[in-house]
Amino acid sequence: GDSVTQMEGPVTLSEEAFLTINCTYTATGYPSLFWYVQYPGEGLQLLLKATKADDKGSNKGFEATYRKETTSFHLEKGSVQVSDSAVYFCALSEGVTGNQFYFGTGTSLTVIP
Amino acid sequence: NAGVMQNPRHLVRRRGQEARLRCSPVKGHSHVYWYRQLPEEGLKFMVYLQKENIIDESGMPKERFSAEFPKEGPSILRIQQVVRGDSAAYFCASSPRRGKQPDTQYFGPGTRLTVL
Repeated sequence: GDSVTQMEGPVTLSEEAFLTINCTYTATGYPSLFWYVQYPGEGLQLLLKATKADDKGSNKGFEATYRKETTSFHLEKGSVQVSDSAVYFCALSEGVTGNQFYFGTGTSLTVIP
Repeated sequence: NAGVMQNPRHLVRRRGQEARLRCSPVKGHSHVYWYRQLPEEGLKFMVYLQKENIIDESGMPKERFSAEFPKEGPSILRIQQVVRGDSAAYFCASSPRRGKQPDTQYFGPGTRLTVL
């Protein structure tokens, strides 16, 4: 079945450091891939997405490239800020199977000044 | 435009009571999804509904849990005879679901259920 595996946290970085959060997936078809962010006490917000192989999603300085050959969708940011502290979830969805999302377990990021 | 609304934001119940969680999707969205997030875990799919229809309830526990999305009004997730293990954050999401391609799902702020 479909599943998502993402890097375990927590991750602690200094401000302006480079961020990578790894995400790999297993899917039977051709899924769309997403990164969501959850700030404390809030719901999930879409950060970026990619719908086909080699697509790059980007938003707020974050990027992720849909790599079919390695079944990966790693999240990167060149220079993190304190305000990026949150939990990041990788997810996939295959429309054919009903559009349910499969989420990774989340990676907690703390950025210190 | 209002996003997905959920209420209550926090709900406390004693064991054996009923919990009713409400979700109003984004205006114009006819597809609703419910997810459960246990402490320190990711979100787990529970049920997918369209107006008046349950499309996929494969993630819903077979007993005590039910969901509906009536023609008028919000979607309701109902948990009967709650137990401590039901304590979790319950998130609702909605999408317009155009065609067969996966749509972005827009999430509500969640309802945090605590069972005493």
